[in-house]
Amino acid sequence: NAGVTQTPKFRVLKTGQSMTLLCAQDMNHEYMYWYRQDPGMGLRLIHYSVGEGTTAKGEVPDGYNVSRLKKQNFLLGLESAAPSQTSVYFCASSYSGTSEAFFGQGTRLTVV
Amino acid sequence: EDQVTQSPEALRLQEGESSSLNCSYTVSGLRGLFWYRQDPGKGPEFLFTLYSAGEEKEKERLKATLTKKESFLHITAPKPEDSATYLCAVQRKRETSGSRLTFGEGTQLTVNP
Repeated sequence: NAGVTQTPKFRVLKTGQSMTLLCAQDMNHEYMYWYRQDPGMGLRLIHYSVGEGTTAKGEVPDGYNVSRLKKQNFLLGLESAAPSQTSVYFCASSYSGTSEAFFGQGTRLTVV
Repeated sequence: EDQVTQSPEALRLQEGESSSLNCSYTVSGLRGLFWYRQDPGKGPEFLFTLYSAGEEKEKERLKATLTKKESFLHITAPKPEDSATYLCAVQRKRETSGSRLTFGEGTQLTVNP
């Protein structure tokens, strides 16, 4: 039972490049989330999904897009990376809207 | 706007030296307060959820308590393996579904042998 798996673990991008972060969960959870973690800022919600085919904006959605085509996968896209998007990105999932979230191991992204 | 403030930012203890971490919060209608542990280079790991003032939960050397304005994470006789960053988060009661957590910046705990 892998839980929440994020791909890749590390990535370096040049400004203006695009990329997709993949999150997969094997717990049959309905809810999935993308957070970013920055020093002095804590974890901040980027986008979330309450079920297959649904997405919603979180606290800091600008510059990111997401898709939830399959229940087990939640993709985070950066269309044109900026240095301000240098961060550690965490995916999480939960059974319901009120239950605890399980986090992946994170993706460290550097935009130069 | 929901706010979570954790103190201290960093805490260094000797093995066996008990202490408490604080999480002060402001939220419009609390659904739940969550405590997570985060090890370096890892994702947060769930510890506790507290729902109402007066509630307490325990796990090994950790005990979490909740009042209407703050939560405490008490660590009794800590061991070096308790060293980690402890995160607090609140979830507001919302009309629509969606588990949106507001996190504090965390307390970095170091326990020396």
